[in-house]
Amino acid sequence: EMQLVESGGGLVKPGGSLRLSCAASGFTFSAYFMNWVRQAPGRGLEWVSSISGSSNYIYYADSVRGRFTISRDSAKNSLYLQMNSLRDEDTAVYYCARVEGSGSDATYMDVWGQGTTVTVSS
Amino acid sequence: QSALTQPASVSGSPGQSITFSCTGTSSDVGGYNFVSWYQHHPGKAPKLMIYEVSNRPSGISNRFSGSKSGNTASLTISGLQAEDEADYYCSSYTSSSTYVFGTGTKVTVL
Repeated sequence: EMQLVESGGGLVKPGGSLRLSCAASGFTFSAYFMNWVRQAPGRGLEWVSSISGSSNYIYYADSVRGRFTISRDSAKNSLYLQMNSLRDEDTAVYYCARVEGSGSDATYMDVWGQGTTVTVSS
Repeated sequence: QSALTQPASVSGSPGQSITFSCTGTSSDVGGYNFVSWYQHHPGKAPKLMIYEVSNRPSGISNRFSGSKSGNTASLTISGLQAEDEADYYCSSYTSSSTYVFGTGTKVTVL
């Protein structure tokens, strides 16, 4: 069974840092693009960042570029999100998701984790 | 990247069909056949319902169907059931190799 399990969420003060992890199982992790997606309280889903299977291609939303860093470790079947300079508006449930697609494009998210909650507050 | 535009809420009675839209631009929805739809029950993981405009993943009921015309995609739920009550989000791959989600539509079964 394909599974993604996030961890690392918690309460952090504005300006602080947090590292999220996502453990993958049940599929060949290194073969897939992976995404981080978040949902702030009362808001919709927001794409945060993407990373290719080889880590050669990395993309960020404008709202987190320069503060967040996505990475992966295929030996550990794990995806990470290092979050620095956290702001109140980063408060959200963070999901990791496997990205699938036709041909060379990775265009839709077919496996999702249950999410981990990040609260930024003083 | 601005969020795709969806109606905030749609409702219907059991057995009815409902359709709701997802409007973007030529840089996302209109430029590619890479629109996907997700069902999200609060507190649970989002679930892929439709990919590449109109394709259903294995295990998804054929009551769910998708289409697209120009910069607007649509999701139709036929034979509405109580279990369909959830939030639904569209998403599109973009010309910048990024992803954009819709504002979300809350589906209520009356």
